[in-house]
Amino acid sequence: GENVEQHPSTLSVQEGDSAVIKCTYSDSASNYFPWYKQELGKGPQLIIDIRSNVGEKKDQRIAVTLNKTAKHFSLHITETQPEDSAVYFCAASPSNTGNQFYFGTGTSLTVIP
Amino acid sequence: DAGVIQSPRHEVTEMGQEVTLRCKPISGHNSLFWYRQTMMRGLELLIYFNNNVPIDDSGMPEDRFSAKMPNASFSTLKIQPSEPRDSAVYFCASRTGQGKNQPQHFGDGTRLSIL
Repeated sequence: GENVEQHPSTLSVQEGDSAVIKCTYSDSASNYFPWYKQELGKGPQLIIDIRSNVGEKKDQRIAVTLNKTAKHFSLHITETQPEDSAVYFCAASPSNTGNQFYFGTGTSLTVIP
Repeated sequence: DAGVIQSPRHEVTEMGQEVTLRCKPISGHNSLFWYRQTMMRGLELLIYFNNNVPIDDSGMPEDRFSAKMPNASFSTLKIQPSEPRDSAVYFCASRTGQGKNQPQHFGDGTRLSIL
């Protein structure tokens, strides 16, 4: 089955700096890659997603890149703010499993004011 | 729009008791997922339903766990009897069936503590 690895597990950045979180996956059938943000006491919330026919997608300060050949994808947050502090999860969804998502182990991001 | 609604938000009970967690998916979504989150194991998929039918329950840890979806707007996850190692946050998520590659939308979870 699919295996998603996520790095780093913790990340601290100064406010205004950029943060990058990286994920790798193993199943070449994966074609959908969502990213979730989880704040304390809440469920994961979708922040951005990318499909395998696209190499990069941007939404304001957040961008995601996908390299299908290397089987890795990354989340980039620019001009970080304290409210970006949370746990971020990547996921991969193989086309042949229908609805199933395989999640990374999460990155705890702290933005220092 | 109302999101995925889970109840209760917190549950504390003694081992051996029956626990029932409830979920109301987003209206119109036809897939529903139950996850368990712990520090040690992260987010684990327990079971998921398509059109109220269980599709994959291979993540259900033991026979003590069971899940039902009697209709499109309600699902339950039951643990009987409960054990301390079942303590975790349990999330429900739903997804629309319209179009490929759609995200799952999560509720805010039930924090379960078994004493």
